[in-house]
Amino acid sequence: DSGVTQTPKHLITATGQRVTLRCSPRSGDLSVYWYQQSLDQGLQFLIQYYNGEERAKGNILERFSAQQFPDLHSELNLSSLELGDSALYFCASSVALAGTSGTSYNEQFFGPGTRLTVL
Amino acid sequence: AQKITQTQPGMFVQEKEAVTLDCTYDTSDPSYGLFWYKQPSSGEMIFLIYQGSYDQQNATEGRYSLNFQKARKSANLVISASQLGDSAMYFCAMREVRSGNTPLVFGKGTRLSVIA
Repeated sequence: DSGVTQTPKHLITATGQRVTLRCSPRSGDLSVYWYQQSLDQGLQFLIQYYNGEERAKGNILERFSAQQFPDLHSELNLSSLELGDSALYFCASSVALAGTSGTSYNEQFFGPGTRLTVL
Repeated sequence: AQKITQTQPGMFVQEKEAVTLDCTYDTSDPSYGLFWYKQPSSGEMIFLIYQGSYDQQNATEGRYSLNFQKARKSANLVISASQLGDSAMYFCAMREVRSGNTPLVFGKGTRLSVIA
């Protein structure tokens, strides 16, 4: 058990719908990352938050958005869903000190993932 | 831009034998970290081992070791004494250390099957 929790574990919905995936990081971790794992694209970084603020953006579609709340949990919102959005969505967390550089080892702990199926 | 290449889509190994999973990387940042993760059929991502670009020695964690060849930009994972439970997808990943924690970039993965 990594200490990162994600809900729900499975989600089945229809095209055009909107869903929210939730992540609670490990206690004390300030950084949250969202990744998407699909068969054709592999594991791709979507977005990172640090202590409530967006820190980095990857291949995240405009239909997707995320936020990190004051209690550090994060939500990933996916809207206008398409068949191609079916994937395993992971949340990961790590300890990240603002402005830290040269610190080469900060393991990212992954949650169990949310498997999204769009029909 | 950073890139990870895993050229072996699938590998087979006999139980109790050693196996090497290949990983090459590309980055212009002199400071970076390399990671290996295991993903069993249940789907979770399990951290296995880490190697920093400035580490002088190859990383080892139990039956896992990382064969780090900086000049060749390779970071191969060696699993010794394979067990049936080692059957899984294995991902190589890297992170540049420019300013704090940057996201991981993953390779496509290698599916390892351990045969009894």
